[in-house]
Parts: sequence; C-alpha cells; structure tokens
Amino acid sequence: IAGITQAPTSQILAAGRRMTLRCTQDMRHNAMYWYRQDLGLGLRLIHYSNTAGTTGKGEVPDGYSVSRANTDDFPLTLASAVPSQTSVYFCASSEGGLSTDTQYFGPGTRLTVL
Amino acid sequence: GQNIDQPTEMTATEGAIVQINCTYQTSGFNGLFWYQQHAGEAPTFLSYNVLDGLEEKGRFSSFLSRSKGYSYLLLKELQMKDSASYLCAVLDSNYQLIWGAGTKLIIKP
Repeated sequence: IAGITQAPTSQILAAGRRMTLRCTQDMRHNAMYWYRQDLGLGLRLIHYSNTAGTTGKGEVPDGYSVSRANTDDFPLTLASAVPSQTSVYFCASSEGGLSTDTQYFGPGTRLTVL
Repeated sequence: GQNIDQPTEMTATEGAIVQINCTYQTSGFNGLFWYQQHAGEAPTFLSYNVLDGLEEKGRFSSFLSRSKGYSYLLLKELQMKDSASYLCAVLDSNYQLIWGAGTKLIIKP
C-alpha cells in the first residue's frame, strides 16, 4: 500500500441499507478526513479525526458516523442510506490536525443510493 | 457565512498562459491552497500561500493578497495534460478547509 486507499471504488445501494466506506493510510498521518463532492459544489467536510481515538463533526455530518480505533483506518458509516447521500466520497489525511499541513486524498468512492 | 468564489469554467490554448482567480470570505485565515483534480481522480496538492505575494513552482505560480481576499493560480506554457479542475481552498480559523466549487480548465490545441 502506498498512500491512501479506499474501498469500494463504487457502489450502488438501496435506500435504507447500511453501508461502510473504508479508508486506510500507510503514511502514519495523525489526521484523517471524510469529504463528499457533489457537482457544482466544493468539497464538504463530513467528519474528521485529529488523532487516533478522537473524532469531530464537519460541515455535513448528519446521517454519517465515523470511528478511529487506530492511526491507519478511518471508516465512514451510513446507518440508513438516503438518495441525497449519492455522491463521490473522498478520504484524506494530513501529518497533523488543526494545522497547515497538506491534505492527501484517496482515489474516492462513487456511491449511488436508489 | 463562508464563501469561496471561482469561475466555473475557462478555456485556453496549448502553449498559452491562463490565470484562475479565487476570492474568499471566511471566518479567519490560516492559508490558501490550490489543488488540481483530473476528471474521475482525487485532488492533488499544487500550492500553499499564507503570506502576501507570488510563489513560483515551475510552470505554476500562485499569488495571494490577504487584504483583498484574493488569490490566483497562473499556469504557463499550457499543456494538454493541464486540462483539469483547479480547486481553491482556504484554511479557516478552526483549521478546517473551506473549498471552492472548482474551475474546469479546458485546453484546446
């Protein structure tokens, strides 16, 4: 593994189903982030974690939850998917949280909720 | 509220120069980032400015004026591979990135 990986690459999901998007980084970065990207809008922060064991809410956290049990992994869970959660989801990491450190992005997960 | 404005789309010719502008209104300022994003791919880091002035990095330069809430990305000697979206993002007082919607740059031969 080099950098950040995300799984799955894409997914079609029925409304009401539970879904976990996976994100793993091997750079030993302290901070990790989940964004969604929708056409015509900027990236929007869903949740973040400045260090293992801590998480925080971003701009659009409703309907999503995260956990950070260790440094490398930061899964995003949709408890009961709705069509408005159709989007491209990017995981990112940076060396430090609450800092000016550059964020590095994973390849994204394209999620469609029907 | 917080706001980042960029043109939606720009067109330029291979070999030419293009300037992509970004204006911002945010709660606090801890720097401005430019990222490049090719279609269907992840954003990748281009530049970071926290002080006023021009930062040059090869064919790409980025300028910042904090008093005007303004930045631009200058791309010289355009190549076809520069066709991409360019994202402006400001680090606010909480050290969270506020993103513009991006400028889609189309390069024509």
